[in-house]
Amino acid sequence: AQSVSQHNHHVILSEAASLELGCNYSYGGTVNLFWYVQYPGQHLQLLLKYFSGDPLVKGIKGFEAEFIKSKFSFNLRKPSVQWSDTAEYFCAVNAPSSNTGKLIFGQGTTLQVKP
Amino acid sequence: SAVISQKPSRDICQRGTSLTIQCQVDSQVTMMFWYRQQPGQSLTLIATANQGSEATYESGFVIDKFPISRPNLTFSTLTVSNMSPEDSSIYLCSVEKGGELFFGEGSRLTVL
Repeated sequence: AQSVSQHNHHVILSEAASLELGCNYSYGGTVNLFWYVQYPGQHLQLLLKYFSGDPLVKGIKGFEAEFIKSKFSFNLRKPSVQWSDTAEYFCAVNAPSSNTGKLIFGQGTTLQVKP
Repeated sequence: SAVISQKPSRDICQRGTSLTIQCQVDSQVTMMFWYRQQPGQSLTLIATANQGSEATYESGFVIDKFPISRPNLTFSTLTVSNMSPEDSSIYLCSVEKGGELFFGEGSRLTVL
């Protein structure tokens, strides 16, 4: 069965620090990969996604992620975080051949950015 | 994009009762999805709701416990039946457009 593992459950950073959130998945076939963010009191929204092509994808608000197929990883990065990046971040995977609405989510990482 | 509205946003329920959550989308969609997020855990797909047919449930979820209606292309309901404290969760409605899932703000249920 597919699974997604996020390495860090709770990350605390100071403003301007660099961010990298780890995400690994287990699935042997072709996958679509996503990072979602949930700001306090708001709904889940898409940060970025990877379907195919350039394994380095750029998303909103300066976030990027790199798909490394050999490592089954899709880590999220941001060179300099802001206080407004405080949120919960979810990595998710979907097999294109399956139900397109069925995402397997990781457990989430809570990011706290100190001003 | 898609704008999804859910009602209620939160509720406190007594054990043994049932609650129906409504989901309204601002555009027509073929499939709607219901997810659950239990406290401290990730999101898990409960079922996929197609208009005009019975919902398809994921492993571990059954229709008797989570009946779903899909009367038209913009609306769906999820009922949580005979609730127990273990059903305390956030229930989220979502739709897929252009390979992206859009989510409602969720309905936070607390069962006493």
